[in-house]
Amino acid sequence: SSELTQDPAVSVALGQTVKITCPGDSPSGYYASWYQQKPGQAPKLVIYGDNKRPSGIPDRFSGSTSGKTASLTISGAQAEDEADYYCNWRGRTLDYMIFGAGTRLTVL
Amino acid sequence: QLQESGPGLVRPSETLSLTCTASGDSFRNSRYYGAWIRQPPGKGLQWIGSISYGGGTAYTPSLRGRVAISIDTSKNQISLKLSSVSAADTAVYFCAREEGISDQRIDSWGQGILVAVSS
Repeated sequence: SSELTQDPAVSVALGQTVKITCPGDSPSGYYASWYQQKPGQAPKLVIYGDNKRPSGIPDRFSGSTSGKTASLTISGAQAEDEADYYCNWRGRTLDYMIFGAGTRLTVL
Repeated sequence: QLQESGPGLVRPSETLSLTCTASGDSFRNSRYYGAWIRQPPGKGLQWIGSISYGGGTAYTPSLRGRVAISIDTSKNQISLKLSSVSAADTAVYFCAREEGISDQRIDSWGQGILVAVSS
């Protein structure tokens, strides 16, 4: 497949918790990461590895992987979290990378 | 910092050529891969391919045969060539840097360049 399935749209009330999932089709030993993209901007890394956050990403963002499914959780969503979120599976070597179809998060 | 450059308009059936120039040591450091990713208007991200410091490449299956990525470590650049383009190749093309040693991830993106395929 050329992209992985994600829920196209999800909404969350301000200050509440939301979970976005991404079923993968890759074997174990692959790495999941999550990217936030706001209109007119390049994507930005928010979660990678075993629930690691790059410098500057708030700790309300967390990630987990269970089997072939990766999840991104935003605990206490803020208005500035409204964006498209893409999951990504990456092999240990060059051979494989695939993005999820993206989830548009609306903060109500 | 990554900066894409190239023509914003390409004729159908011709070859799309883009270059990405990095500041810092991105494509001079063997721990990083260079990558091209595109995003058609209003759609999601599509990985095009990646290249290692040593020149090893991998491409998405749907574009294999039309795509070539190269690296020039002396200039700290990677390049993309996509042949026989059609309107379906109209997209914003992003250059990116991948961490290739551990916890593989894309840790840096260019701003993107819109390439339209039209006569």
